[in-house]
Amino acid sequence: EAGVAQSPRYKIIEKRQSVAFWCNPISGHATLYWYQQILGQGPKLLIQFQNNGVVDDSQLPKDRFSAERLKGVDSTLKIQPAKLEDSAVYLCASKGRFPEAFFGQGTRLTVV
Amino acid sequence: AQRVTQPEKLLSVFKGAPVELKCNYSYSGSPELFWYVQYSRQRLQLLLRHISRESIKGFTADLNKGETSFHLKKPFAQEEDSAMYYCAPDRAGSYQLTFGKGTKLSVIP
Repeated sequence: EAGVAQSPRYKIIEKRQSVAFWCNPISGHATLYWYQQILGQGPKLLIQFQNNGVVDDSQLPKDRFSAERLKGVDSTLKIQPAKLEDSAVYLCASKGRFPEAFFGQGTRLTVV
Repeated sequence: AQRVTQPEKLLSVFKGAPVELKCNYSYSGSPELFWYVQYSRQRLQLLLRHISRESIKGFTADLNKGETSFHLKKPFAQEEDSAMYYCAPDRAGSYQLTFGKGTKLSVIP
């Protein structure tokens, strides 16, 4: 089965610019997660979708971050405006009927 | 507050030595517990889950509810075990999956 696809793989932007990441989960997976992984730390959950509804966005900095999952399939995560501390790898993961979560390769964001 | 702790950032062992990666959790209810692993330049992937009680790549993990621990063990480390290991409680019924800060295992030849 095809894995979780993320794009772009790398992105460099200047602070105060905006950026968007895209995730295509495994077909049929209802649960989708976005994580932020800062260098040297574990993945931090930003937002969790169940189909196209938000289950948990308690750790999403809503003043600058937004995410949507239209039609309960693909998802986009946006940062506007970006700050230096947003430099991290952004991971997307999906989960189906079984508890195992499948991860994408991630998008490495560098804010300069 | 719900919390997962991996006390060691880095663990170095010699090839053939036993390995124990520690994980302690503080969660309400009965979370399901997982270990995820990330090898160099690869995706984060599931290693094992406590409910299945299986051994994967020689690793086992026992859930100790009294000590609220879920330590990962392997009797004889191999070089290919070098990776980042994350303990991950999943709040039962909600599919909310959170991660510890991770332990980097380095197996010395």
